Amino acid sequence: DGGITQSPKYLFRKEGQNVTLSCEQNLNHDAMYWYRQDPGQGLRLIYYSQIVNDFQKGDIAEGYSVSREKKESFPLTVTSAQKNPTAFYLCATGYGVRGYTFGSGTRLTVV
Amino acid sequence: GENVEQHPSTLSVQEGDSAVIKCTYSDSASNYFPWYKQELGKRPQLIIDIRSNVGEKKDQRIAVTLNKTAKHFSLHITETQPEDSAVYFCAASWGGTASKLTFGTGTRLQVTL
Repeated sequence: DGGITQSPKYLFRKEGQNVTLSCEQNLNHDAMYWYRQDPGQGLRLIYYSQIVNDFQKGDIAEGYSVSREKKESFPLTVTSAQKNPTAFYLCATGYGVRGYTFGSGTRLTVV
Repeated sequence: GENVEQHPSTLSVQEGDSAVIKCTYSDSASNYFPWYKQELGKRPQLIIDIRSNVGEKKDQRIAVTLNKTAKHFSLHITETQPEDSAVYFCAASWGGTASKLTFGTGTRLQVTL
């Protein structure tokens, strides 16, 4: 996975349920990002973190929450407040201005 | 914030022809412009990038050009091959420590035999 591990690969959520997507990296990168990908809409930024214990909202943060307690980990929780969570979720890390390295993604489906 | 527009949304070319994908950005402070290739069901992969102090960059069959005055940049793929078929995303950022990327909506390139 090129140093970034996302799990699970597929996740099913019931109505009203919170679910957590995992993102772990061993690249020693400071910055980590969560993007949502929907067909025809590109990648939209949910949350990002430049340093441990600090994170900022992206363009579509409503209904999501994150934590950054360790440099290696940046989990994303999809809460019941997110009414349309079915999408492909991508975690990425960045180092300075060298662009991103992406994880392999988690496909979340509401059942 | 930054806004990136990408055209066309779909592009079909014959093998061996060239393909051009264009993007425009809104924030004149942006100075880093990467391109990603995403194959079906896979993660995006960085294929080439350019910074604002450079007008053109080439890597074998792919090249990127940047016009800072007009705030647009383009991806050029020459001698296209079937394995070039994928979705391509452009992106922009100002490249500082908070260098979050804003992505275009993607171009689905189909290379036909």
